[in-house]
Amino acid sequence: GQQVQQSPTSLVLQEGENAELQCNFSTSLNSMQWFYQRPGGSLISVFYNPSGTKQSGRLTSTTVIKERRSSLHISSSQITDSGTYLCAMERAEGADRLTFGKGTQLIIQP
Amino acid sequence: NAGVIQTPRHKVTGKGQEATLWCEPISGHSAVFWYRQTIVQGLEFLTYFRNQAPIDDSGMPKERFSAQMPNQSHSTLKIQSTQPQDSAVYLCASSLGGGDSDYTFGSGTRLLVI
Repeated sequence: GQQVQQSPTSLVLQEGENAELQCNFSTSLNSMQWFYQRPGGSLISVFYNPSGTKQSGRLTSTTVIKERRSSLHISSSQITDSGTYLCAMERAEGADRLTFGKGTQLIIQP
Repeated sequence: NAGVIQTPRHKVTGKGQEATLWCEPISGHSAVFWYRQTIVQGLEFLTYFRNQAPIDDSGMPKERFSAQMPNQSHSTLKIQSTQPQDSAVYLCASSLGGGDSDYTFGSGTRLLVI
């Protein structure tokens, strides 16, 4: 089964609304990371967040390792936030490499 | 810090030809990873090195794919006898290694096999 589950698969919002993206992991993990990707673009690290809450501007990530989940909150979304958000985990066993979810496609409309 | 550098950015090969992709990790990063991304499969792990030694190649198609890291400043991914299904974006990443460290990805090489 899939080790990293992301939800929703896609999300369409109006500019100014808040977005909440979820990531659930089926195995124990050492850490996790959120990435952003535009169509045809490279993966840009948004948050490296092994545990707790981190904030950067309008973006907030909260990871609860014991519950094997992480969330990414985008407040007051802007059109330029549109793209795909991927979460990835580093497993607790056989670690080092990242295992990715399928991503959430975020579309912000004017 | 120029980040992880991948070359070429785009490559078109004919079916059956060989393709070699290059990656220059961030200086000081001991772990180097190769991933492949397609619309259907998403991001798939291929292989990784730590301190230039191959650690895990469980994601590599065994027969035609090979990866090397001859020195700490670059790694190569070679695909022999390319097939249309090899068409994908090939991404290289590096990290400090040792677990619990964040990863930086290169811009990728978009490979098209025709």
